[in-house]
Amino acid sequence: ETGVTQTPRHLVMGMTNKKSLKCEQHLGHNAMYWYKQSAKKPLELMFVYNFKEQTENNSVPSRFSPECPNSSHLFLHLHTLQPEDSALYLCASSQELPLRLSGANVLTFGAGSRLTVL
Amino acid sequence: RKEVEQDPGPFNVPEGATVAFNCTYSNSASQSFFWYRQDCRKEPKLLMSVYSSGNEDGRFTAQLNRASQYISLLIRDSKLSDSATYLCVVNDYKLSFGAGTTVTVRA
Repeated sequence: ETGVTQTPRHLVMGMTNKKSLKCEQHLGHNAMYWYKQSAKKPLELMFVYNFKEQTENNSVPSRFSPECPNSSHLFLHLHTLQPEDSALYLCASSQELPLRLSGANVLTFGAGSRLTVL
Repeated sequence: RKEVEQDPGPFNVPEGATVAFNCTYSNSASQSFFWYRQDCRKEPKLLMSVYSSGNEDGRFTAQLNRASQYISLLIRDSKLSDSATYLCVVNDYKLSFGAGTTVTVRA
């Protein structure tokens, strides 16, 4: 497989469920990201990992719990979510963090996991 | 003021037409800029990077105006396949996304 793959592509869960989203990148990138995309709103950055260390938590509620066991895999564990958490969750990776003028910080996105919370 | 602002559109244009739209950004220290396209219910994909005054790739031209803090995207000879939402992304040591401009090209 190539690029960034996300599973599951669609997920429906109740507010008391526990589920996880998985992301895997086959690009040899060092940085991985979780974004939330809601209708008509800009992508919201949730978490950033660089060399499997978390570098940013963008004030995300604790009901979202990320895990990055290595530079190629990223998980988002979901617990007691709210209906307003329904959205498209996009994983992305880049060669390096956007800390300087460089083409190495271009993001490659996965196809997304569309989450519906009932 | 939002960090990155885009006209949401939609821009409805006939095939073969030229369409252009802008993206304004608030941080004058922004380093680099990107245009991504996102098809309906798909992920964003990189269309073009802009590091200096502009960039051109076939029918697509991006121009950067640092003094007025905006970048533009111009699409010439529009194709039906150009119908998408175009996301502006600004790198000011973090990547900030606009909400997107929707373009619909009709036959």
